[in-house]
Amino acid sequence: QVTLRESGPALVKPTQTLTLTCTFSGFSLSTSGMCVSWIRQPPGKALEWLARIDWDDDKYYSTSLKTRLTISKDTSKNQVVLTMTNMDPVDTATYYCARTPLSGYPDYWGQGTLVTVSS
Amino acid sequence: EIVLTQSPATLSLSPGERATLSCRASQSVSSYLAWYQQKPGQAPRLLIYDASNRATGIPARFSGSGSGTDFTLTISSLEPEDFAVYYCQQRSNWPQWTFGQGTKVEIK
Repeated sequence: QVTLRESGPALVKPTQTLTLTCTFSGFSLSTSGMCVSWIRQPPGKALEWLARIDWDDDKYYSTSLKTRLTISKDTSKNQVVLTMTNMDPVDTATYYCARTPLSGYPDYWGQGTLVTVSS
Repeated sequence: EIVLTQSPATLSLSPGERATLSCRASQSVSSYLAWYQQKPGQAPRLLIYDASNRATGIPARFSGSGSGTDFTLTISSLEPEDFAVYYCQQRSNWPQWTFGQGTKVEIK
């Protein structure tokens, strides 16, 4: 059974750095062709893809957010970490992690974690 | 960036009716398009991948069609649990995946 769970602060201040952790089970990021993506959704708005890390440690980022994002993995802990620097109120959103097979689509998603950016 | 435009924004239908949702891409995405269903307070659920393939466990009343720039999600006969927001997503332009703005299917 594949499960993912996001964790991190519910509230961050503007200019701070956000660190989110995705803890998963039911698959391994050391398996060839396996990847994990981060996707966010501002309240009442559409989804936005942020980043992806692959089993071979290749990393990909949204062009518009590339300078602010870092994705990493700890295969032994079954975790993927996303950091986003210089947070702004427009970054208020629910952040999801999702299993993403290579050449596929996000097929299993975590329940999401709401991050509010406010002073 | 490939822009996905979904229409209509809201679809008001009754249970048992047929729902037809559209997703138009600003440039060809071949068949690299997926559809997701999202209910309030829940994560999106993958319904259709590569334009016309049902994901695991998805009922046969959901079907997808199209290629290039024009895609359609059809729900043949709406069940009460199908009232939700539906999003399309393209993976043609890697690594700039994009989503549509969503179509809400509501009870008439």
